Amino acid sequence: GAGVSQTPSNKVTEKGKYVELRCDPISGHTALYWYRQSLGQGPEFLIYFQGTGAADDSGLPNDRFFAVRPEGSVSTLKIQRTERGDSAVYLCASSSGLAGPDTQYFGPGTRLTVL
Amino acid sequence: RKEVEQDPGPFNVPEGATVAFNCTYSNSASQSFFWYRQDCRKEPKLLMSVYSSGNEDGRFTAQLNRASQYISLLIRDSKLSDSATYLCVVNIDPSRGGKLIFGQGTELSVKP
Repeated sequence: GAGVSQTPSNKVTEKGKYVELRCDPISGHTALYWYRQSLGQGPEFLIYFQGTGAADDSGLPNDRFFAVRPEGSVSTLKIQRTERGDSAVYLCASSSGLAGPDTQYFGPGTRLTVL
Repeated sequence: RKEVEQDPGPFNVPEGATVAFNCTYSNSASQSFFWYRQDCRKEPKLLMSVYSSGNEDGRFTAQLNRASQYISLLIRDSKLSDSATYLCVVNIDPSRGGKLIFGQGTELSVKP
């Protein structure tokens, strides 16, 4: 079956601009996660959705970052007034959301470059 | 101090070698532990979960020492295809969601 998909695969923008990154989780997965990975580092947690609601947004670095999942499936990560330090690969993952071992499956990521 | 720390590598080993990766975590309340593999410019993929009793999957063996807050991964008979970055991963409280805490990753390069 189809895995997690993310669009665009690459995004180049200028400092100060607004960007939206999209994630399509595996069909039926109720849990969705956003992570950010900088060069040479492991992924860093941003936000977790269970259904439509953000269950944990403790990883969002500041109020320029916002994410939604209005229908409990597709999610959009929104970054306002982008800064050069926002350049990274943004990874989305989904899981079944069931209790017990719940493997997260990652998408290929969106590589964001802020000039 | 980072929540999950790993040897950054790179580890350069010949085919057939045995290689061991170590990882420590800072939060003693951590409950779930994993090793993920990440190929260059690709997404992370689950390699194996890690249990207190230790677990093995073919050439890969993972160990967890809760008292020392230490996780290890052993790869026997290394193959060229094992070349990748290995990420040590912890979930502090699975009952409150699957937020994963990743280490920096250890790069492995297996040479012919």
